[in-house]
Amino acid sequence: DAGVTQSPTHLIKTRGQHVTLRCSPISGHKSVSWYQQVLGQGPQFIFQYYEKEERGRGNFPDRFSARQFPNYSSELNVNALLLGDSALYLCASSFLRENTEAFFGQGTRLTVV
Amino acid sequence: DAKTTQPNSMESNEEEPVHLPCNHSTISGTDYIHWYRQLPSQGPEYVIHGLTSNVNNRMASLAIAEDRKSSTLILHRATLRDAAVYYCILRDVETSGSRLTFGEGTQLTVNP
Repeated sequence: DAGVTQSPTHLIKTRGQHVTLRCSPISGHKSVSWYQQVLGQGPQFIFQYYEKEERGRGNFPDRFSARQFPNYSSELNVNALLLGDSALYLCASSFLRENTEAFFGQGTRLTVV
Repeated sequence: DAKTTQPNSMESNEEEPVHLPCNHSTISGTDYIHWYRQLPSQGPEYVIHGLTSNVNNRMASLAIAEDRKSSTLILHRATLRDAAVYYCILRDVETSGSRLTFGEGTQLTVNP
């Protein structure tokens, strides 16, 4: 079975631009979460979606938004990019909202210049 | 989420056991203890979790103190592939769903 897939793998954007990151969860998994990992730190929770509804939000500004589609794939959108948004963005999927084991993708490396 | 404290780094030799400590003195009765690891250039990977009793799986063992204020992840025979950042995470399913609150973790170096 394919694991969690994220696209693109790398991305370079200019300050002020908008970016969309995509995630396909493991087949059958209904929960998708997004994390931001700045170099040298642990991942920080951004959003969780379950059954196409937002079920949790971390301490991130409104420039960050996400959605989940009927096939359970998900998009993370970031508007008005700042240099500080440069990070590895990770997507994790699990079968249930409360699942103990989350499966992470390889991430999208976003660089804002 | 309750806070965990881990050493910044640890070193081990290949084929020797490794004991990775984690302190969580403010743990609540409904907090599960989770361990994830992150290999270089990869997303985090689930290792093991437990509530009160010690747990074993194919990857590792988790030893939980009787008062639950500390735990130890045990890798029985370290390999070079085990070199990673190991995160100890407390998670209350009732309040946090599948949200994981990562700290800085412990960077494990395995020497050949």
